[in-house]
Amino acid sequence: EVQLVQSGAEVKKPGESLKISCKGSGYDFTNYWIGWMRQMPGKGLEWMGIIYPGDSDTRNSPSFQGQVTISADKSISTAYLQWSSLKASDTAMYYCARRARLGELSLRAFDVWGQGTMVTVSS
Amino acid sequence: DIVMTQTPLSSPVTLGQPASFSCRSSQGLVHSDGNTYLSWLHQRPGQPPRLLIYKISNRFSGVPDRFSGSGAGTDFTLKISRVEAEDVGVYYCMQAAQFPYIFGQGTKVEIK
Repeated sequence: EVQLVQSGAEVKKPGESLKISCKGSGYDFTNYWIGWMRQMPGKGLEWMGIIYPGDSDTRNSPSFQGQVTISADKSISTAYLQWSSLKASDTAMYYCARRARLGELSLRAFDVWGQGTMVTVSS
Repeated sequence: DIVMTQTPLSSPVTLGQPASFSCRSSQGLVHSDGNTYLSWLHQRPGQPPRLLIYKISNRFSGVPDRFSGSGAGTDFTLKISRVEAEDVGVYYCMQAAQFPYIFGQGTKVEIK
């Protein structure tokens, strides 16, 4: 079964650092882009960025540039999203998702989603 | 950045009746490879989104055929031929023609 499994919920204080993970299984993790999305409480989806685990090529949304770091370790089929200094406004659900392919063709749509990681930042 | 505008933001629907939702982009979504990368996703409360439609009109695997997508240029539509109870939730369009990818604000669907 193709799946993405994300790390568990986190409760942090402002100023703390955090790294959440997204582990892929059931497919060749190296050859599919992985995107990260934010969903603040009661709000819509926001695209944060995307990484190609094969060579760690990364594209970031200008809205999140400098705020988070996206990385991947292809040897363990895991992508990461990290913060060096959290703010209360980072409180949200974060999803990773796989960018779909049909053979060699990218469909540029997200077909497999992780279950989400809830991050709560509060003093 | 491209702006994606969905209408309506809220849509009360009747079981068994059709429903349609609109998504408009601030610029065309045709990629240099000739494809238009507009997809639709559905998110039920408390669940991650799931892919319904990719490249305007292609139903993803396992998606019921009551869902259909259409459109071109900057105007796109998702239609449900006969609404079922499980169709409640929020529908998002997403453009992936260029970085950054952008989601619409979502259309919330509730049963009347």
